[in-house]
Amino acid sequence: EAQVTQNPRYLITVTGKKLTVTCSQNMNHEYMSWYRQDPGLGLRQIYYSMNVEVTDKGDVPEGYKVSRKEKRNFPLILESPSPNQTSLYFCASGPDRAYGYTFGSGTRLTVV
Amino acid sequence: QKEVEQNSGPLSVPEGAIASLNCTYSDRVSQSFFWYRQYSGKSPELIMSIYSNGDKEDGRFTAQLNKASQYVSLLIRDSQPSDSATYLCAGYTGGFKTIFGAGTRLFVKA
Repeated sequence: EAQVTQNPRYLITVTGKKLTVTCSQNMNHEYMSWYRQDPGLGLRQIYYSMNVEVTDKGDVPEGYKVSRKEKRNFPLILESPSPNQTSLYFCASGPDRAYGYTFGSGTRLTVV
Repeated sequence: QKEVEQNSGPLSVPEGAIASLNCTYSDRVSQSFFWYRQYSGKSPELIMSIYSNGDKEDGRFTAQLNKASQYVSLLIRDSQPSDSATYLCAGYTGGFKTIFGAGTRLFVKA
């Protein structure tokens, strides 16, 4: 089954404790992206990747890091999480940046 | 002006009616356009894409794009309670980014 797999689904952590949210796709997609979704603000892009070792900032990259060492994986790293990073996070992939995306099931992160 | 703007709703329609969802966009968004459906607590799901002016039909869904007026719409015919969800409009900017609107909540009353 074609899918984007994110883990974990839910995460509660404390301020400053480094965490990683994993994302993996099995569709051989070139393009992958991370979004956060907040009430009233919609989906905002954090980082995106055009291909292996090619990443760039989206609209809200502060406090986040990403890497793309393999085509299928695109982890999101929060080096020192803060409460304002409490949000619902989605990983997405697509065959090309101009096409529609397949989204992962989401990660609900709470930073206390 | 937001780059992709939608009325947050809620839009309420009776079962069997046509639901009309609208979206306007700024000059920055000029390429491809997409409609996603998102059920509460779930991830967005792509339901329609449209790349050129005019209408595109897929089953009960019709997407309409008018580049001169900078709006894109989604019509859902014969609306069902299972169509109750938030509908996200999105546009590709041509600069490696797709920008999403905040979504319109649709309620279909049985």
